[in-house]
Amino acid sequence: EPEVTQTPSHQVTQMGQEVILRCVPISNHLYFYWYRQILGQKVEFLVSFYNNEISEKSEIFDDQFSVERPDGSNFTLKIRSTKLEDSAMYFCASGGQGTTGELFFGEGSRLTVL
Amino acid sequence: GENVEQHPSTLSVQEGDSAVIKCTYSDSASNYFPWYKQELGKGPQLIIDIRSNVGEKKDQRIAVTLNKTAKHFSLHITETQPEDSAVYFCAASKPSNTGKLIFGQGTTLQVKP
Repeated sequence: EPEVTQTPSHQVTQMGQEVILRCVPISNHLYFYWYRQILGQKVEFLVSFYNNEISEKSEIFDDQFSVERPDGSNFTLKIRSTKLEDSAMYFCASGGQGTTGELFFGEGSRLTVL
Repeated sequence: GENVEQHPSTLSVQEGDSAVIKCTYSDSASNYFPWYKQELGKGPQLIIDIRSNVGEKKDQRIAVTLNKTAKHFSLHITETQPEDSAVYFCAASKPSNTGKLIFGQGTTLQVKP
């Protein structure tokens, strides 16, 4: 069964450092997302990406965040200068249809900022 | 903005009993309502979904009901088993070109053997 894969599974970084989280969405999907989940809290939308551009972003997704699809398979989330409050589980998701279709989530990348 | 409220936050049932989790949504334009199960250390997995043109949907021991007028939807799990223990999230989405989901706060379900 096709799945969304994420790397790394866990990253520990110092405050102020840049972090890149990587995702390989399901191959025939066209819509890509990043969500985050702070420990014990709800899953929050960060950004959606379609046709090589951001289609929507939340208030959380400020100038410190960026996304990229550098080739035909990878989808990355970059945090330019990490803050303590960026510590969370980051989930990548992909979907075949943008308009209220099923989203498939990866297993997540846990980011710990010290 | 859009908001989804989910209750209860924790639910403990005996094996074999039923479990019900309820969600309300704020945006009447929402038309897609998935339920995700999240096991410890894993990503959310879709277990069932319902669209606004349907009032109820069932898949074996799991059912979802939708009341569009009241903007409520619920997950029903019958004959619960210990492996049903997990965190369950409801979500809502409205027609757009982004497919963004707004999640509820999650319900931790514990099924006691």
